[in-house]
Amino acid sequence: DQQVKQNSPSLSVQEGRISILNCDYTNSMFDYFLWYKKYPAEGPTFLISISSIKDKNEDGRFTVFLNKSAKHLSLHIVPSQPGDSAVYFCAATRTNFGNEKLTFGTGTRLTIIP
Amino acid sequence: DAGITQSPRHKVTETGTPVTLRCHQTENHRYMYWYRQDPGHGLRLIHYSYGVKDTDKGEVSDGYSVSRSKTEDFLLTLESATSSQTSVYFCAISETRGSNYGYTFGSGTRLTVV
Repeated sequence: DQQVKQNSPSLSVQEGRISILNCDYTNSMFDYFLWYKKYPAEGPTFLISISSIKDKNEDGRFTVFLNKSAKHLSLHIVPSQPGDSAVYFCAATRTNFGNEKLTFGTGTRLTIIP
Repeated sequence: DAGITQSPRHKVTETGTPVTLRCHQTENHRYMYWYRQDPGHGLRLIHYSYGVKDTDKGEVSDGYSVSRSKTEDFLLTLESATSSQTSVYFCAISETRGSNYGYTFGSGTRLTVV
């Protein structure tokens, strides 16, 4: 049972445009959500996160939106740059005093077209 | 930077042989995790540790064991490797940065079982 779903395996976006990556979850106990970015032959790196008490969190070009009623979150990248080409993983967890076991989606490969 | 080192980076082994992967961290983090990454599955939790000699199973623990005799080292052992265990393995630590928390990952070990 896939508790975190990324239904788009791949996405191509023109440089300078907005990239929107989507993620759905089924477990209503999740209260913290994260996005990770992964380049080939490297480990995933943390990008941005959001708590369930918020519906938006912004960090530079990256914004994450959370719609709890729809159990949906999205990552917006504006403007998209060639270095943003990578695989993006959505992750979710229930807060547990430091021992948060993350559940990951299957990833979306983002390609930025110059 | 959490200073996480995984070794080896690459390994080819034969079916039925034991294999041990090592994760080493330099900052005394309490929680450590082993994940595997496979196409179509994202990252899945194998085992995790919440202290020296304290470990527990994740969602895909069959065929794997772990040990943590020192805070800094978390070992993943495949007792008798099978082709289904061909994967990329990532170690992670849980850490808090300001108001955010999440994982920091190592660079991964690519394991091929032939």
